[in-house]
Amino acid sequence: EAGVVQSPRYKIIEKKQPVAFWCNPISGHNTLYWYLQNLGQGPELLIRYENEEAVDDSQLPKDRFSAERLKGVDSTLKIQPAELGDSAVYLCASSPGRREGPFTDTQYFGPGTRLTVL
Amino acid sequence: GDSVTQMEGPVTLSEEAFLTINCTYTATGYPSLFWYVQYPGEGLQLLLKATKADDKGSNKGFEATYRKETTSFHLEKGSVQVSDSAVYFCALKGYSTLTFGKGTMLLVSP
Repeated sequence: EAGVVQSPRYKIIEKKQPVAFWCNPISGHNTLYWYLQNLGQGPELLIRYENEEAVDDSQLPKDRFSAERLKGVDSTLKIQPAELGDSAVYLCASSPGRREGPFTDTQYFGPGTRLTVL
Repeated sequence: GDSVTQMEGPVTLSEEAFLTINCTYTATGYPSLFWYVQYPGEGLQLLLKATKADDKGSNKGFEATYRKETTSFHLEKGSVQVSDSAVYFCALKGYSTLTFGKGTMLLVSP
């Protein structure tokens, strides 16, 4: 079974430029997550989708970040414009969803996109 | 709110040594507990999990037991290998959110 796919793996951009990250979850997984991981820290949730609905985006900086999950499968996270402080790893994860029970639903992570803003 | 506290690293061991990485948590309800491992330049891989008190998760020689009385989920391995060098994250799953600790780096030398 294929895992979570993310692209690109690495991205270097100048500040104020836009950037987009793409994620394809494990087949059949209804729930998709985007996380931000700063150096030396654990991942922090940016947004969670249940199918195509964003059910938790409270930690997403909406002035510059946006996300979409059209058709409830793959997803795109965008930053416009990027700032120096956005340099980090952006992780996508998916899980089967509530049919496993909210407390036991296991998340599986992609390899991440390492963003460097110059 | 939910929180996870891990021992700070790096943890430096020689090959075949015994490993313990401490993890304690604070949570409401009945969370599930996880250990994830992150190898250099890669994403997080699920290592093991436990969904209720006294459950023991195990995988690849690693073990952790869900201790509700001490709110702990310590990771252990009897004999580490150089290939185990990575960052290990303890995490808890509440009703909707997965909360991670800051991670513990493990360095194993030959």
